[in-house]
Amino acid sequence: GAVVSQHPSWVICKSGTSVKIECRSLDFQATTMFWYRQFPKQSLMLMATSNEGSKATYEQGVEKDKFLINHASLTLSTLTVTSAHPEDSSFYICSAPHGRAGDEQYFGPGTRLTVT
Amino acid sequence: SQQGEEDPQALSIQEGENATMNCSYKTSINNLQWYRQNSGRGLVHLILIRSNEREKHSGRLRVTLDTSKKSSSLLITASRAADTASYFCATDAGGYNKLIFGAGTRLAVHP
Repeated sequence: GAVVSQHPSWVICKSGTSVKIECRSLDFQATTMFWYRQFPKQSLMLMATSNEGSKATYEQGVEKDKFLINHASLTLSTLTVTSAHPEDSSFYICSAPHGRAGDEQYFGPGTRLTVT
Repeated sequence: SQQGEEDPQALSIQEGENATMNCSYKTSINNLQWYRQNSGRGLVHLILIRSNEREKHSGRLRVTLDTSKKSSSLLITASRAADTASYFCATDAGGYNKLIFGAGTRLAVHP
């Protein structure tokens, strides 16, 4: 089946620094990828839609200048958390649609971000 | 924004018992999907059911969809300890393949 990877799997950073998270589709091309965040014992909240070759589309309430998304190729999207603060600590997950109608989503294993 | 509600929020059963989780949503959909998430891990796709389908099976999983009530259920039969995980429903109500997730049910299956 289709595989999506994320790197790193976990990262600890100091407050005020920036962190980049990569999402790769390993055996298929993805013109669209999605970024979610998940707080402990909560559901996934869609943050933004990453579009290859164009600007990302952000969900309401998500700061686009804080969460920079770049989708430079058909297999790679990156999420950069800029000037991270402890409240940005979360589990970040990406997904890419695949299949006949693109309605099957394949999820990465997630990245645990801890901001100290 | 989340559109789905799931119940129960948590479910604790013994191995061999059946587990039923319910999901409700608010707007029209083309399909509804169920995912499983082990603690601290990514999501695993379980089943996709389309709006013109009423029931779907996959191994020990049975999913129903009632579009008139805007609800779905996931039944896991003969549960195993390895089924312990969180289960989420997700709809395509966000459009453009965007998934909107329900709150999830945390299932614990005790040996």
